[in-house]
Amino acid sequence: GQNIDQPTEMTATEGAIVQINCTYQTSGFNGLFWYQQHAGEAPTFLSYNVLDGLEEKGRFSSFLSRSKGYSYLLLKELQMKDSASYLCAVRDSNYQLIWGAGTKLIIKP
Amino acid sequence: ETGVTQTPRHLVMGMTNKKSLKCEQHLGHNAMYWYKQSAKKPLELMFVYNFKEQTENNSVPSRFSPECPNSSHLFLHLHTLQPEDSALYLCASSGGALEYNEQFFGPGTRLTVL
Repeated sequence: GQNIDQPTEMTATEGAIVQINCTYQTSGFNGLFWYQQHAGEAPTFLSYNVLDGLEEKGRFSSFLSRSKGYSYLLLKELQMKDSASYLCAVRDSNYQLIWGAGTKLIIKP
Repeated sequence: ETGVTQTPRHLVMGMTNKKSLKCEQHLGHNAMYWYKQSAKKPLELMFVYNFKEQTENNSVPSRFSPECPNSSHLFLHLHTLQPEDSALYLCASSGGALEYNEQFFGPGTRLTVL
């Protein structure tokens, strides 16, 4: 079966750095997405990786290793507004998005 | 209006009611999706429409019936639902179902079935 694993919850301190991991087992691979979802709101797109390596976008970076079935989202200089759930999703060989259950990130002052 | 809109935002219905959820996208996209989001569970893809044609139906019970009259509008008709169908129903759109394009989500309809 297809599976996306990510931690259920993480806590970090304002101003610090946090890394949210995602491992996947899917039938085929056509890219990996990270989304942010604040409570009660729609998921919003953060990043897309299809080749191995690091993609940087301001305070957020996303890394992919296809051989290891592994990705992480790195958030730097954490702000209180970064408190949200972070969803990892992989597009399989049928171009369907397979979603993880999300990681709830709690930022403390 | 911009982006993806959904109405109603909240819906409470009995098991014998019939209701419809509406989604509209103002992004000129060709693909639209219905997802179910339950607490602490992954997003479940329910239906996919690409250029108004249904391309995916992931074993969704027949009490959920989608309708896509054009590329901008998507409906989800509900009838004789069960309490376990209570969830957040999200609509999304993208440039095309088989292209790289991120999906843009609407704010969702919070559905409670009594």
